[in-house]
Amino acid sequence: KAGVTQTPRYLIKTRGQQVTLSCSPISGHRSVSWYQQTPGQGLQFLFEYFSETQRNKGNFPGRFSGRQFSNSRSEMNVSTLELGDSALYLCASRQTSGGTTDTQYFGPGTRLTVL
Amino acid sequence: AQSVTQLDSQVPVFEEAPVELRCNYSSSVSVYLFWYVQYPNQGLQLLLKYLSGSTLVKGINGFEAEFNKSQTSFHLRKPSVHISDTAEYFCAVSEMGNFNKFYFGSGTKLNVKP
Repeated sequence: KAGVTQTPRYLIKTRGQQVTLSCSPISGHRSVSWYQQTPGQGLQFLFEYFSETQRNKGNFPGRFSGRQFSNSRSEMNVSTLELGDSALYLCASRQTSGGTTDTQYFGPGTRLTVL
Repeated sequence: AQSVTQLDSQVPVFEEAPVELRCNYSSSVSVYLFWYVQYPNQGLQLLLKYLSGSTLVKGINGFEAEFNKSQTSFHLRKPSVHISDTAEYFCAVSEMGNFNKFYFGSGTKLNVKP
């Protein structure tokens, strides 16, 4: 099976712009989670989608949003970019949102740089 | 989980020495436990997991971890490390129920020296 894929791998934007990141989960996985990783704050949970519905949400401002499509692919959007949004954005997928099949598998990440 | 604590932010160790990376958690419900490894500029790779059964779990690359329910710990160990084990290691907890929300520790950077 192919792993979790994320596109693009690298992105450079300027303050005030918006950005959309994409994540394709492992085939058969219905849950997709997004994380932001920075040297100062570490790994922080953004949100999780399951069957096109947001199930869990972290403590991020409304500028961060996401969605999931019927094929389980997910996108996250960040509007009005700030310098502090520079980070590695990781996507993870799992089969369900509960139960013993509950292991998250991560993609390689998208490195976002805001200038 | 209320929190996942990795007490050591950095662990230096010489090659072929044993290592233990510590992880403690707090939770009012039952949990599943995981260790992930992250190499530079890569995503997180699953090392091992505890879902149920034997409290001693063996993972990839010679790592193992032991679940101690009374001490709410899940420490990661390797009897002899290699240079290639240099990476950052994350402990994670998934709470049963509440759609099994994941909580990650702050990470431990393992630096293996020759």
